[in-house]
Amino acid sequence: AQTVTQSQPEMSVQEAETVTLSCTYDTSESDYYLFWYKQPPSRQMILVIRQEAYKQQNATENRFSVNFQKAAKSFSLKISDSQLGDAAMYFCAYGDGANSKLTFGKGITLSVRP
Amino acid sequence: DGGITQSPKYLFRKEGQNVTLSCEQNLNHDAMYWYRQDPGQGLRLIYYSQIVNDFQKGDIAEGYSVSREKKESFPLTVTSAQKNPTAFYLCASSIDWTSGRYGEQFFGPGTRLTVL
Repeated sequence: AQTVTQSQPEMSVQEAETVTLSCTYDTSESDYYLFWYKQPPSRQMILVIRQEAYKQQNATENRFSVNFQKAAKSFSLKISDSQLGDAAMYFCAYGDGANSKLTFGKGITLSVRP
Repeated sequence: DGGITQSPKYLFRKEGQNVTLSCEQNLNHDAMYWYRQDPGQGLRLIYYSQIVNDFQKGDIAEGYSVSREKKESFPLTVTSAQKNPTAFYLCASSIDWTSGRYGEQFFGPGTRLTVL
């Protein structure tokens, strides 16, 4: 079974600074997808960014980018120019090519200092 | 507006009672999912359904049951057999995997269930 590990339970960043959230996963598949979801205090899950394993180029969405290292099975999220609204719990998730199930990590709580 | 609705937002249950959580989507998605979220545990999959009238157990299905009689609806029943049902429950849906952007799941606002 696939596993997703987020080893840092909490992180803090100064407003306008850059922060990187780490995620590793374990799989024997070659075709899969990776996601970062954000869960603010409202608890609504919001998709931040997605990465297809077959693409070598790292995904970018405005201030959010990933560092996808397929061989190392690492998928970190970089948040640039951090804003107070970025404070939330962030979940890394893995989806394989056989079905549409996702496996989630335990999440990391990000706080942003003004 | 397209989206996923869950009701109620808060639910209280006495021990020994079954309770049903509602999940409805108007996104025309084929697949639907139920997750349980506990502090420090992330999201754990309870049941999922990729097509009407079919569903599969997830990682923590014991004490739960589901039905999928309509494409847009996927209710979850928490039975009295679930020993520790107090948790936050999230419903999600996704486009069928053959449509291209498979795997990306869209979530409802959640239901907080408390057993008294």
